[in-house]
Amino acid sequence: AQSVAQPEDQVNVAEGNPLTVKCTYSVSGNPYLFWYVQYPNRGLQFLLKYITGDNLVKGSYGFEAEFNKSQTSFHLKKPSALVSDSALYFCAVRDDPGNNDMRFGAGTRLTVKP
Amino acid sequence: NAGVTQTPKFQVLKTGQSMTLQCAQDMNHNSMYWYRQDPGMGLRLIYYSASEGTTDKGEVPNGYNVSRLNKREFSLRLESAAPSQTSVYFCASRRAGGAGTYGYTFGSGTRLTVV
Repeated sequence: AQSVAQPEDQVNVAEGNPLTVKCTYSVSGNPYLFWYVQYPNRGLQFLLKYITGDNLVKGSYGFEAEFNKSQTSFHLKKPSALVSDSALYFCAVRDDPGNNDMRFGAGTRLTVKP
Repeated sequence: NAGVTQTPKFQVLKTGQSMTLQCAQDMNHNSMYWYRQDPGMGLRLIYYSASEGTTDKGEVPNGYNVSRLNKREFSLRLESAAPSQTSVYFCASRRAGGAGTYGYTFGSGTRLTVV
């Protein structure tokens, strides 16, 4: 079965600095990887996905993620953090396009300080 | 552009009471899902419906039942609520096609407390 780990419960960065939110995964086949963001009292919003192709994936709000097959990682990045990026971020993985059981990580709370 | 609508937004139940959480989507999506979110555990899949007329168990189905009433609506029922079911419940949907690569659209959640 597929699984995903987010090793950091909390990430703190200063506004304007680059940010990284880490994610590692485990699947038996090819991974289908996703990042979602959750703002307070809201549902999750889709940010970006990796299916195949270029290892660097660009998504919404200036975020990007780097797929690394040898390290089984899919870290979320942004070159310059904004205070408004403060939220809860979830990594998710599915191991087959027909598999409806997508597994989510426990989430990482990102705080960007002015 | 309603997307995925969940009702109610908040609910307090006594142990042993029953209730149904409602979910409706207006995007003509085929697949619908119910997740629960607990601190430090992320989202865990309770049940899903790959298409109208089908439902399947997810990771944590015990204590829950679901009904896919039609293509738009997917309800979650707690027959006899327990304090362990205190959680935030999210409904999600996904469009068909794209070889399963499309992301999910989530509702805004139902915060349920069982006392």
